[in-house]
Amino acid sequence: GAVVSQHPSWVICKSGTSVKIECRSLDFQATTMFWYRQFPKQSLMLMATSNEGSKATYEQGVEKDKFLINHASLTLSTLTVTSAHPEDSSFYICSAPEQLNQPQHFGDGTRLSIL
Amino acid sequence: GENVEQHPSTLSVQEGDSAVIKCTYSDSASNYFPWYKQELGKRPQLIIDIRSNVGEKKDQRIAVTLNKTAKHFSLHITETQPEDSAVYFCAASMSNDMRFGAGTRLTVKP
Repeated sequence: GAVVSQHPSWVICKSGTSVKIECRSLDFQATTMFWYRQFPKQSLMLMATSNEGSKATYEQGVEKDKFLINHASLTLSTLTVTSAHPEDSSFYICSAPEQLNQPQHFGDGTRLSIL
Repeated sequence: GENVEQHPSTLSVQEGDSAVIKCTYSDSASNYFPWYKQELGKRPQLIIDIRSNVGEKKDQRIAVTLNKTAKHFSLHITETQPEDSAVYFCAASMSNDMRFGAGTRLTVKP
């Protein structure tokens, strides 16, 4: 079945570092991908909608200059956490539907730890 | 925008008993309602979904019901097993804009 691949799975880095997370659709084209953040024991919170060939749509309260999203191709979206700080430590996960209003396929997630 | 509420936040049942998780949504335009199971540190896995033109759907021990008028939907797990223990999320979606409930931590005691 359709698979979404997300890398890296785990990142530990110093405060002030920028971290890039990749999300790839492996056997289907994804014009739209979604980025979520999940804090421990909490739900998945939608951060932004990544649109191929156009600007991402950010949810209220999410800083677009802090979380840079690039969706340059139909199979790849990237999320860059710029100048990361300890409060950015979280589980980041992407998803993509094969078609409009179809089940979301989730990546394995990236656990980001900022020291 | 859409707001999804989920109850209970934690649920503990004895193996073999049934478990029911309920969700309500606010946007009557939402037309797709999936349920996901997430084990610790792993991706959410779709376990069942229902669309707004259907009132009930069943897949072996799992069933989902939808009441469009009341804007609520429920997950029913029968004959629970220890491997059903996980966090379950409901979601409501319209045109790919999917919003999740807060999650229910289900524990099935052997």
